[in-house]
Amino acid sequence: AQSVTQLDSQVPVFEEAPVELRCNYSSSVSVYLFWYVQYPNQGLQLLLKYLSGSTLVESINGFEAEFNKSQTSFHLRKPSVHISDTAEYFCAVSFLYNFNKFYFGSGTKLNVKP
Amino acid sequence: GAGVSQSPSNKVTEKGKDVELRCDPISGHTALYWYRQSLGQGLEFLIYFQGNSAPDKSGLPSDRFSAERTGGSVSTLTIQRTQQEDSAVYLCASSTWAFQPQHFGDGTRLSIL
Repeated sequence: AQSVTQLDSQVPVFEEAPVELRCNYSSSVSVYLFWYVQYPNQGLQLLLKYLSGSTLVESINGFEAEFNKSQTSFHLRKPSVHISDTAEYFCAVSFLYNFNKFYFGSGTKLNVKP
Repeated sequence: GAGVSQSPSNKVTEKGKDVELRCDPISGHTALYWYRQSLGQGLEFLIYFQGNSAPDKSGLPSDRFSAERTGGSVSTLTIQRTQQEDSAVYLCASSTWAFQPQHFGDGTRLSIL
């Protein structure tokens, strides 16, 4: 069965420190990859996506993620976090043969401390 | 508004009752998804509608769960004979087409007493 794994359920970090949120998925077949963010008391919203082309994708607020096919990973990184980045982050994948169906990881709660 | 709208925002009901959850997708979005988010868990795929095609029901956890989408727009998720384990936030999302980024509603928080 296809699956998406976010190993870290919670990541505490101090403001202005770098952060990496890990995401691995179960298959090396063609995929589309997404990171969604859920800020406190808000709905999920798209942060960034990889559909094709450059394996490094960026968001407007400084996050980036790199598609690594050999490691079946799509880790999310930011070189310097802000208090406002405190949120829950979900990795999502859709796999070849059934792009209709999205698999979400269990989420990583990023807690940025002053 | 222009976003995905879900109603009710909160629903409390007794075990054994039936509930209906409604989703109004963004106008023109042909793809519509239902997910369930239980406490401390990720999003669990329930069902997917794409245009007039047969829905992908592979995520529905039991035959107590069903969903329909009328006229390619509004969708209703029905849970019959609710159980306490059905307590969760039910999220609806829509997108312009399959595998395009999804736009999520704020969800319905369902509590079964």
